[in-house]
Amino acid sequence: GAGVSQSPSNKVTEKGKDVELRCDPISGHTALYWYRQSLGQGLEFLIYFQGNSAPDKSGLPSDRFSAERTGGSVSTLTIQRTQQEDSAVYLCASSFRNLGLAGRDEQFFGPGTRLTVL
Amino acid sequence: DQQVKQNSPSLSVQEGRISILNCDYTNSMFDYFLWYKKYPAEGPTFLISISSIKDKNEDGRFTVFLNKSAKHLSLHIVPSQPGDSAVYFCAASARPSGYSTLTFGKGTMLLVSP
Repeated sequence: GAGVSQSPSNKVTEKGKDVELRCDPISGHTALYWYRQSLGQGLEFLIYFQGNSAPDKSGLPSDRFSAERTGGSVSTLTIQRTQQEDSAVYLCASSFRNLGLAGRDEQFFGPGTRLTVL
Repeated sequence: DQQVKQNSPSLSVQEGRISILNCDYTNSMFDYFLWYKKYPAEGPTFLISISSIKDKNEDGRFTVFLNKSAKHLSLHIVPSQPGDSAVYFCAASARPSGYSTLTFGKGTMLLVSP
């Protein structure tokens, strides 16, 4: 695709409900990252995928948060039993991850999903 | 503990003048630094980066300066244009683990007035 896409763009849910957020990375990008941005904060790293495996889940704030990636492409971030403090913009990014380059693999971001937990 | 700090939440500049956005970091393992630009309702877009082996990188109107001893970097935009009005995020990465997870600052909102 032309860029990273995320759905839904907005999600309003009630406290205690589960939500699923979807990310479609750029075709061919092997690395995928989830971040979130709470109000007045910077982007906070959540989880990193290389292919379908997640070598770094260190940013997931609690066991209510999980993510998976299938076919080396689409990823879903699931939040169970949502709390009001989960309200944030959830951003997905992908990169080609060519380690042969002297520079770093640039991360391309999607537009984000704005989650509001009432 | 914030490892990347952008102490100015906002900056106002007149069109044609220089914009200077500052960023400080605390983690001495960081060896690669990036600036991202974000418009409302859009994801951040990559602007410019610098490796710790350099102290300056220039791309058109944008120049990033790195002072490793002070753990400080800055983004200069010359001349500033109204279309530059956006939130600018400073980000840093360390690569001992072989991939580039980014640590972001809180951002600085730049407003360039005509």
